[in-house]
Amino acid sequence: EDKVVQSPLSLVVHEGDTVTLNCSYEVTNFRSLLWYKQEKKAPTFLFMLTSSGIEKKSGRLSSILDKKELFSILNITATQTGDSAIYLCAVEVAGGTSYGKLTFGQGTILTVHP
Amino acid sequence: GAGVSQSPSNKVTEKGKDVELRCDPISGHTALYWYRQSLGQGLEFLIYFQGNSAPDKSGLPSDRFSAERTGGSVSTLTIQRTQQEDSAVYLCASSLGLGPQHFGDGTRLSIL
Repeated sequence: EDKVVQSPLSLVVHEGDTVTLNCSYEVTNFRSLLWYKQEKKAPTFLFMLTSSGIEKKSGRLSSILDKKELFSILNITATQTGDSAIYLCAVEVAGGTSYGKLTFGQGTILTVHP
Repeated sequence: GAGVSQSPSNKVTEKGKDVELRCDPISGHTALYWYRQSLGQGLEFLIYFQGNSAPDKSGLPSDRFSAERTGGSVSTLTIQRTQQEDSAVYLCASSLGLGPQHFGDGTRLSIL
């Protein structure tokens, strides 16, 4: 059975801190790993990673994938209160009837205090 | 449209009733997905439509759940004879084939 595990489950920091969120996975036929941010409603897309060792960056957020060790990290530097959200990691598998289906981790609840 | 649109945003119904949830994907997106997010649980895959192919229904929790996608666009998720454990947020997502999935705001379903 495909499995995605995120850690920590929750994290409380102060503005300006740097945080690292972890995601490990065990799936058959890995295709991609995605990070989403969920505030009140819809998860919003952050990154899609398919290749090992290539960092993706968007402003203060960055992410990298290690396909040998089966994990990814999401870094947020100089955190702001607006970064408070649930961060979701999901893995997509390739081939057969499962193609396109995302398996999600439990999420990391990040709280940033002023 | 600009994003994935779901309706209703909230639905409260009595146990045993049937409900229909609607999803309007991003225009041009060929793939459409339904997920469920229960309190304290992660997102759980329900069903996936890709173009004209047969849907992947492997995540539907029971035969009370069904979904259809008409004309390759709008989708309806139907839950028959609702139970209290069906209470959750039902999220729809769409993607352009191999691209990332983009989510709607969801329908919060409460079964009394």
